[in-house]
Formats: sequence, C-alpha cells, structure tokens
Amino acid sequence: EIVMTQSPATLSVSPGERATLSCRASQSVSSDLAWYQQKPGQAPRLLIYGASSRATGIPARFGGSGSGTEFTLTISSLQSEDFVVYYCQQYNNWPYTFGLGTKLEIK
Amino acid sequence: QVTLRESGPALVKPTETLTLTCTFSGFSLSSTGMCVSWIRQPPGKALEWLARIDWDGDEHHTTSLKTRLTISKDTSKNQVVLTMTNMDPVDTATYYCVRGIVAARGAFDIWGPGTMVTVTS
Repeated sequence: EIVMTQSPATLSVSPGERATLSCRASQSVSSDLAWYQQKPGQAPRLLIYGASSRATGIPARFGGSGSGTEFTLTISSLQSEDFVVYYCQQYNNWPYTFGLGTKLEIK
Repeated sequence: QVTLRESGPALVKPTETLTLTCTFSGFSLSSTGMCVSWIRQPPGKALEWLARIDWDGDEHHTTSLKTRLTISKDTSKNQVVLTMTNMDPVDTATYYCVRGIVAARGAFDIWGPGTMVTVTS
C-alpha cells in the first residue's frame, strides 16, 4: 500500500502569515490527492481534490499543488479557525491511504 | 442538501460482529458515479479508509481488514451497511460514512457526524 508522509507533524505560524504543509507519497499517485481539515470533535472537511481543485465553498486562501509524489497545501493569511489538523489522502491506488496529519498551531 | 448519518452500537464485546448503518439523503446511490465509503479514526489517531461501494454494486475493501469486512447497499432505503467481524479493542474508533465526489470518487466531500464504537469486555 502507498504510504503518505506529512511534514512537519506540527507547524507553528503566526495569524495572518502563510502556512505551507507538505505531503509525500511512497510512489506516484498522479494528481489523485485530497486534503482535509479536521477541527476538534468534528468530522473532516474536504478542502482540495485532484491535488489542486478547491472543494465547494472552500475559501480561496486554501491552495493545493503538486503531482506524482510531492504535494503542498498552502494556506495564505491564516485566520484563527485555521489552526487545526490537516490530512492528505491518496486515491490513486487501493487501498486509499491517509497521512498522519499536520497540526497547525499558533506561534 | 446531502446528508449522511451513521448508526449502530456504541459498545461491542471482543469477538463480536459490528454492524453499522449509514442512512443518507440528497442523492441516490443508483445514480451513475455515486459511491459511499466507510472511514474510521481511533481516538487521537489518523484516518483509515475501510471500504467503498459503488452505484453499480462494485466493492473495494482495505487490504488489512478484507477478510473481516462486508459492505452492502439498499438503494430503496438509501442505506449502506458495514459489518466487521471478530471485533478487537484496537477497533475502537469513530466510524464515518462518507460520499465520494463523482469527479473523483476517492475524495470525500460529505461526511456523516461519525459514530463512536468502543470494543470492551
């Protein structure tokens, strides 16, 4: 199965600044990559699919890029509600697999 | 409005079989391209995809649990059922029912609130 590695595990950034989260696949997943945001006590929310397509209702400050094995989620101008956990997930090969997550914390 | 909701027992004993039901609305699982998956998340840990069933009845299961999982659908009731046999304490988790988006069925745009299942004797 494809292993998804997210880095860093915890990212400290100041509100208003930009955050860059990384996700690496153990083999190519083409552009079949999604990003999710999870707030405490809630189900995850889809942010990005197809590596760079924003899901419905997702603000433009969330952007995804990459293909193959290297992917990035960029959050520009961080707001207080953005300091939660983010997961990447590949859906190019069975079984679908998730990364362990990156926790975005206030610096 | 698309919604999904999981239901099932909160407590299960080791070796028992877990049956979870996902009841959804706002879409039809008989429509081409539609699919529903189950995902779980142990407390404080990451997400794990378990199984998917498609509009045409095609099924996929995670490799490590393939022998324990069954997924089925009742289109007339708008329900998807997941059964997991031989439950163990390590299966304690929140179980989510999710819809795959038609453009990319492996990405999940609508999630149920989740149901917490604890495996304990």
